[in-house]
Amino acid sequence: TQLLEQSPQFLSIQEGENLTVYCNSSSVFSSLQWYRQEPGEGPVLLVTVVTGGEVKKLKRLTFQFGDARKDSSLHITAAQPGDTGLYLCAGEDNNDMRFGAGTRLTVKP
Amino acid sequence: DTGVSQDPRHKITKRGQNVTFRCDPISEHNRLYWYRQTLGQGPEFLTYFQNEAQLEKSRLLSDRFSAERPKGSFSTLEIQRTEQGDSAMYLCASSLGTGGSGNTIYFGEGSWLTVV
Repeated sequence: TQLLEQSPQFLSIQEGENLTVYCNSSSVFSSLQWYRQEPGEGPVLLVTVVTGGEVKKLKRLTFQFGDARKDSSLHITAAQPGDTGLYLCAGEDNNDMRFGAGTRLTVKP
Repeated sequence: DTGVSQDPRHKITKRGQNVTFRCDPISEHNRLYWYRQTLGQGPEFLTYFQNEAQLEKSRLLSDRFSAERPKGSFSTLEIQRTEQGDSAMYLCASSLGTGGSGNTIYFGEGSWLTVV
């Protein structure tokens, strides 16, 4: 059982479309991180959110941390083929990081 | 390149053999983590160190697995008597270990293990 549930598990869209992926848990986290991972590589950190209700923007990516610090979302505007990858969320729980299973995003040209 | 390096990047071994992976974390980071990842899944926590002390081990870490961080710098993960189910990518990560919010961890590129 994953401590963090990510949805959808798979997402395939056309270039230019918008999308949102979700990361939910029944646990409260002191911080939550989003990573992007390409095949055969380690996860690369995108953002860390710390404060409940926090919104962070990274170019076309918008990250939001839920008010109760139990959930988060990642919104991508005008997706591009280069956004293709596995998007992972991770929450800090008792001084270690636990990961969701990820959302595998494919952006078709 | 995050600054966390892992070696070897790929290892193919026969069932029953022992394998060892090495991780060199970012130099000022006092926390070091090992994760395992299989295809289609997120990383699964195995163990972590605060300096040289191993503070937590997952039940995924059977007695065939042992991890060390003898001087609080690099770490090794050894798998004895490998089984086909051990085939996975083994990821190492490190952090400053602030112990609170913003404990950002940085991953290496992983070590792929294939047991045949």
